[in-house]
Amino acid sequence: DVKVTQSSRYLVKRTGEKVFLECVQDMDHENMFWYRQDPGLGLRLIYFSYDVKMKEKGDIPEGYSVSREKKERFSLILESASTNQTSMYLCASTPSPGGDYGYTFGSGTRLTVV
Amino acid sequence: TQLLEQSPQFLSIQEGENLTVYCNSSSVFSSLQWYRQEPGEGPVLLVTVVTGGEVKKLKRLTFQFGDARKDSSLHITAAQPGDTGLYLCAGAVGGGADGLTFGKGTHLIIQP
Repeated sequence: DVKVTQSSRYLVKRTGEKVFLECVQDMDHENMFWYRQDPGLGLRLIYFSYDVKMKEKGDIPEGYSVSREKKERFSLILESASTNQTSMYLCASTPSPGGDYGYTFGSGTRLTVV
Repeated sequence: TQLLEQSPQFLSIQEGENLTVYCNSSSVFSSLQWYRQEPGEGPVLLVTVVTGGEVKKLKRLTFQFGDARKDSSLHITAAQPGDTGLYLCAGAVGGGADGLTFGKGTHLIIQP
């Protein structure tokens, strides 16, 4: 069964900590994405990647960075966690552009920053 | 900035009733996708519509893409409690490789 796996379902971190959220897909997809989901705001795109070592800013990249050293793995990094980064984080992947294939999402990581 | 407006925001109906959820935009999309999300889980793709005027059926769910590719609707016939969830529409430009634009969703509750 093909899937996107996020390493943690729940995470509690302290303000100022560096936080790593890991995402792995087993579908050989080119494109990977990080979204955050907040009540009343919906899903907002943080960063995305077309290929290994490539990254592009989404709509709300401030306070985040990403790493894609291998095709199957896309990591989201919170350089210095703040309480306003408490959210549900969703990773997704899709095959090569142009196909309108739809996204496959992971189960999400609910991050609480205290 | 492309925006997708979904309506209604919340809907609670009895089992067996029919319902329609709407997704509207002033922007043109190459495709519109519908996802269903359950609490604590990621969204799951239901359907992708790519041609203006296209209608797709998935058992009791009927999806329609507007002729101008700016809007879409989801119609559920004889709703069941298992249909409960958050329904999200998402628009893609150029295949979605630059990310999808998501609506805020319709929270649907089907009461037994």
